[in-house]
Amino acid sequence: SQELEQSPQSLIVQEGKNLTINCTSSKTLYGLYWYKQKYGEGLIFLMMLQKGGEEKSHEKITAKLDEKKQQSSLHITASQPSHAGIYLCGADSGGGADGLTFGKGTHLIIQP
Amino acid sequence: EPEVTQTPSHQVTQMGQEVILRCVPISNHLYFYWYRQILGQKVEFLVSFYNNEISEKSEIFDDQFSVERPDGSNFTLKIRSTKLEDSAMYFCASREGTGQLIKFYTFGSGTRLTVV
Repeated sequence: SQELEQSPQSLIVQEGKNLTINCTSSKTLYGLYWYKQKYGEGLIFLMMLQKGGEEKSHEKITAKLDEKKQQSSLHITASQPSHAGIYLCGADSGGGADGLTFGKGTHLIIQP
Repeated sequence: EPEVTQTPSHQVTQMGQEVILRCVPISNHLYFYWYRQILGQKVEFLVSFYNNEISEKSEIFDDQFSVERPDGSNFTLKIRSTKLEDSAMYFCASREGTGQLIKFYTFGSGTRLTVV
């Protein structure tokens, strides 16, 4: 079965600094999803990547999928308190299987 | 923007009781899912549902669990004889049926189930 490993597990960043979160898959990714979760709340969709080398941006958040489609990174530029939360990567394993496999998440804290 | 709605947001139940968690998926979506997140752990896939039947289920989804789409709008997860370890956040999700390569999942806000 597919496993997703996220790093780091937690991250404390000073407001205004840049940061990167990584997600590595044990298998080729057919679709890689980034979600944000406030602790104890629902999942907010951020971005979905599908093609090797693909990069997408929304406001100050950029996500990339590497050429081999086994690793994705999420980069936040000039972090703000509103970026605080848990970032989850989810993978579509393809091969006809349905549903997503998630990583354990990266807990981001923004220090003022 | 269309939403997936889950009710109740919180549910407390006694061990051994049955609970039904409810979800209203987005109206034109054809695939429905339940996920579980035990506090502090990762989100885990439970079951997917399409064309009025289960299409896939995980090892977690044993005989204690069942899903149903009783009408054209609701999608329910029933947990029989709840155990303490069933305490978790349960998320419903849905997606359109258009195409197999591009799948956009929409998640609900979750139901926090506490078994006491």
